[in-house]
Amino acid sequence: GDSVTQMEGPVTLSEEAFLTINCTYTATGYPSLFWYVQYPGEGLQLLLKATKADDKGSNKGFEATYRKETTSFHLEKGSVQVSDSAVYFCALNRDDKIIFGKGTRLHILP
Amino acid sequence: DAMVIQNPRYQVTQFGKPVTLSCSQTLNHNVMYWYQQKSSQAPKLLFHYYDKDFNNEADTPDNFQSRRPNTSFCFLDIRSPGLGDAAMYLCATSREGGVSTDTQYFGPGTRLTVL
Repeated sequence: GDSVTQMEGPVTLSEEAFLTINCTYTATGYPSLFWYVQYPGEGLQLLLKATKADDKGSNKGFEATYRKETTSFHLEKGSVQVSDSAVYFCALNRDDKIIFGKGTRLHILP
Repeated sequence: DAMVIQNPRYQVTQFGKPVTLSCSQTLNHNVMYWYQQKSSQAPKLLFHYYDKDFNNEADTPDNFQSRRPNTSFCFLDIRSPGLGDAAMYLCATSREGGVSTDTQYFGPGTRLTVL
């Protein structure tokens, strides 16, 4: 069945460091791919999405490119801030069922 | 701003005492979802409505029920909460349903404590 695998956390970085959170997926057909962010005590917020191969989603300095050949959707940001500390979920949507990865907790140190 | 609203944000109930969580949306979306999220885990889909059509996940316990009286509102009823039902409950909506490009929009969640 469809699945999403993302890197285990927690990930701890210093402010202004470069961030990569790896995400790979297994799916038949052509799912849409998403990154959601969850701040402490809050619900999930859509961070970015890509709906077809080679699409790049971007928002708030974060980027991810839908790579069909490597079945990946890695999240990147060039310079993280303390306010980026949160849990990040990679997800795919196929026929309106969302399959989430387990989440990666990110800590940014000042 | 159009949004998904959940009330209350925090709910405390006693073991076995029925509880209802509510969700409303101003997005006029066709589909509404309920998820359960336990600590340090991904959200788990309980059920969803396409308009008035109810779709239960196969592994959702019978203890969990839902109602959608109109497009804007959806309720989650837990008939006899157990200690294992303590979790964050997330409501989400999407415009069409059945389309992989559709985005789900989440509310802030209700954190349920069972004493």
